[in-house]
Amino acid sequence: NAGVMQNPRHLVRRRGQEARLRCSPMKGHSHVYWYRQLPEEGLKFMVYLQKENIIDESGMPKERFSAEFPKEGPSILRIQQVVRGDSAAYFCASSHDSGTRVLVTNSPLHFGNGTRLTVT
Amino acid sequence: EDKVVQSPLSLVVHEGDTVTLNCSYEVTNFRSLLWYKQEKKAPTFLFMLTSSGIEKKSGRLSSILDKKELFSILNITATQTGDSAVYLCAIYVGGTSYGKLTFGQGTILTVHP
Repeated sequence: NAGVMQNPRHLVRRRGQEARLRCSPMKGHSHVYWYRQLPEEGLKFMVYLQKENIIDESGMPKERFSAEFPKEGPSILRIQQVVRGDSAAYFCASSHDSGTRVLVTNSPLHFGNGTRLTVT
Repeated sequence: EDKVVQSPLSLVVHEGDTVTLNCSYEVTNFRSLLWYKQEKKAPTFLFMLTSSGIEKKSGRLSSILDKKELFSILNITATQTGDSAVYLCAIYVGGTSYGKLTFGQGTILTVHP
């Protein structure tokens, strides 16, 4: 009965390299959310995806960041040409229902343990 | 812009004490308020509050929402060292077809033996 699985747990990249963060949602969940937690700050919404569709990317930086959730396989958050300011913990969450139905069914988001990205 | 503010930012108590954590919000299209506990890894869900004045309880933890005054409190009685964590308050916002969370900055609770 695995929860939301993220890998790697820790990722170190040098400035200019690419970072790929993976998220496998809970079994049966088809809605995935990515959040970023900067040091000393709360979690900030980045993007919401359903299978093969980006539903809301209003929290994603306009450049260098992209996300996908293919028909098969995990969701991927990709950061190109990383900079030191990208150092943060990146959390993925999944839900069975869409947002409004979550409220009705009392089914909250389930978070993974996060990937801690360090850019040197 | 939607805003969620938690207070205090940090709190240090001794085992057995009772603590009250606060969360105030200014958001459009409010749907519900959630509390999470984060211990160096995944935030774990505590409560979801949608209606004013109805207390939710789970063991030593309880929470209530005031939609008129736009705040919520999380109470922990008879604290234990295992309660040490960051407590996050979040609001469900968004359009009619999906929801997403707006988080406060968290309250760091440290419980000493």
